[in-house]
Amino acid sequence: NAGVTQTPKFRILKIGQSMTLQCAQDMNHNYMYWYRQDPGMGLKLIYYSVGAGITDKGEVPNGYNVSRSTTEYFPLRLELAAPSQTSVYFCASSYGGTANGEAFFGQGTRLTVV
Amino acid sequence: LAKTTQPISMDSYEGQEVNITCSHNNIATNDYITWYQQFPSQGPRFIIQGYKTKVTNEVASLFIPADRKSSTLSLPRVSLSDTAVYYCLVGEGNYGQNFVFGPGTRLSVLP
Repeated sequence: NAGVTQTPKFRILKIGQSMTLQCAQDMNHNYMYWYRQDPGMGLKLIYYSVGAGITDKGEVPNGYNVSRSTTEYFPLRLELAAPSQTSVYFCASSYGGTANGEAFFGQGTRLTVV
Repeated sequence: LAKTTQPISMDSYEGQEVNITCSHNNIATNDYITWYQQFPSQGPRFIIQGYKTKVTNEVASLFIPADRKSSTLSLPRVSLSDTAVYYCLVGEGNYGQNFVFGPGTRLSVLP
């Protein structure tokens, strides 16, 4: 199994540009998450989804959008990129949330906005 | 905000046992306690999860007292490769479905 796959691994954006960070999981997990991690800091939850068609905001949703049309995919959209969005982005999935074991994380997308 | 408090950093030497304590005074009845490990430039990796008493797996033990207001991750005989950031999480969100990370504990293992 591939687990959680994120693309791209690295990206440089200019201010005002848009992009979509891709996330796919092949474990048939209901729960999927997007986090960002700034240097030396913990992860902050951007958006999460508890199943196809259901998404909700996390701690830091401003400037981002998500969709979940299928169980497998959970893309994160950045509109009008800003330098404050320079960060490492991690996608994760889990079967049943915190009470049912572990979340599996992708390898991250390192985004720089200049 | 994460409902947990951990030391920001710890140092240890190879071969020693390391204990990292996490406070979660407001843990809810349904919350589980989960620990993750993160190496630089990688996503977090699950270590262990528990609800009460003691849980042990091949890499760590987790001790949870009866009041569940704290927990202790125990790493036996650490090596240099255990240098990482360790996060303690309890369930967050309306249904405890989310993993909310605090700043974690940066463990440095010295030779």
